[in-house]
Amino acid sequence: GAGVSQSPSNKVTEKGKDVELRCDPISGHTALYWYRQSLGQGLEFLIYFQGNSAPDKSGLPSDRFSAERTGGSVSTLTIQRTQQEDSAVYLCASSLAKRTGELFFGEGSRLTVL
Amino acid sequence: GQNIDQPTEMTATEGAIVQINCTYQTSGFNGLFWYQQHAGEAPTFLSYNVLDGLEEKGRFSSFLSRSKGYSYLLLKELQMKDSASYLCAVIPAGNKLTFGGGTRVLVKP
Repeated sequence: GAGVSQSPSNKVTEKGKDVELRCDPISGHTALYWYRQSLGQGLEFLIYFQGNSAPDKSGLPSDRFSAERTGGSVSTLTIQRTQQEDSAVYLCASSLAKRTGELFFGEGSRLTVL
Repeated sequence: GQNIDQPTEMTATEGAIVQINCTYQTSGFNGLFWYQQHAGEAPTFLSYNVLDGLEEKGRFSSFLSRSKGYSYLLLKELQMKDSASYLCAVIPAGNKLTFGGGTRVLVKP
C-alpha cells in the first residue's frame, strides 16, 4: 500500500503475556519511529531507526521492550511480560532520510493489557 | 534533556483566529514541526520551520524564533473541522523528532 501499515489494529492481552506489533513503512523511507500515546496524552518516543545506523533506543521504558527492523523495512516492536501500564496506542511513523521531521504515521496498534 | 512546552487546551469561535504557542529548550536544533491530530486518528504533518520567520500555508501559518526558543501556529478563519490536537515537535541534535504534549483546540459555533 501507499501508506504506513500497522498490525494488529487492536490487541487485548492478559498481564504477563508477550505481544508483537508490526509496522510496514512507506517504501523508500529510511527513517522509522515508534511512539506510544496514552489516552489524552502526547507522543512518547520509544525508538528510532535511520538507515543502517545503530537504532536510538533511548526512549524504551524498560528492558521488556525491544524492537528490530529487518532489511531496512518492516519493524517489529516486542513487549515481554506485559503490564497494565503498557496499555496505550503504539504508533509507527516513517520518513525520507532528507526530511526526517516530516513523518507519515500509521493508524496505530491499540494495546489493552487486562 | 529536551523540554517542549505548549498549552494544554484552547477554545475559540468558528471564523476566529487562534494562536498556539510552543517554547522549547533542546540540545541543538535542526527544525521545528507542527502536526494535527484529530481524536482517534494518527497525527498528520502541517508545517516545518528551520529558519526564523513566518511560513504560511493557506489558513495555517507557523512562526519561529530560534534565539527565543519559540514558535507559534496560527489558525485563521477557524472551521469546526479544525477541532483537534496540535502537536509541536523539535529535532534536536541527534535527528530524533521529539514531541510536546499537544494543545487541544475546541472550535465552538
